[in-house]
Amino acid sequence: QSALTQPPSASGSPGQSVTISCTGTSSDVVGYNYVSWYQQHPGKAPKLMIYEVSKRPSGVPDRFSGSKSGNTASLTVSGLQAEDEADYYCSSYGGSNIFYVFGAGTKVTVL
Amino acid sequence: QVQLQESGPGLVEPSGTLSLTCAVSGDSISSDSWWSWVRQPPGKGLEWIAEIHHSGITHYNPSLRSRVTISMDNCRNHFSLTLTSVTAADTAVYYCARNGPFSPGEYWGQGTLVTVSS
Repeated sequence: QSALTQPPSASGSPGQSVTISCTGTSSDVVGYNYVSWYQQHPGKAPKLMIYEVSKRPSGVPDRFSGSKSGNTASLTVSGLQAEDEADYYCSSYGGSNIFYVFGAGTKVTVL
Repeated sequence: QVQLQESGPGLVEPSGTLSLTCAVSGDSISSDSWWSWVRQPPGKGLEWIAEIHHSGITHYNPSLRSRVTISMDNCRNHFSLTLTSVTAADTAVYYCARNGPFSPGEYWGQGTLVTVSS
């Protein structure tokens, strides 16, 4: 069982926005501003899209944004494009006993 | 540009030992970065396994700690993973990665499938 809870699926039409939630606990999401989000296309390695809750690595479009409130972090993809169809995983630092935990992933479908 | 490449046997017998190596180019593993192994069983999600720093500090997933060793070879600019007493549940694509800021993977290898079967 994954330590972080994500919805199994989400969808939106091209141009619309989709938001994915990632729910954790006081040991991870609540306790640290170290939530990351990864995009994974079939058969490919994950790609870091967001780190430290809301920061984007160089080259990641500003259509991707992250936030956190309480025990839930969120990834929003605005202006959905066909290439955004992928699996998305959240991760959180969980301190010096747990280190890193992932969610089970959310499959985003562009309708 | 940082590049990582996993290598190792694609098939390991049950109760055996899984050994993988990650060759790094475009960066030195002696730099002030953390280097991780992450795995993904077929059709399932990601699981962080372990990380290592050039200082020799290592961290492990508590659920795998008793069976896992991560190490590095500064001369060859690579780091390695050893997982003992494997079962079918260890069948997965294994990725090596260079961590981002408190994120287990900013740069990733392409992944290598390891199947545990007799």
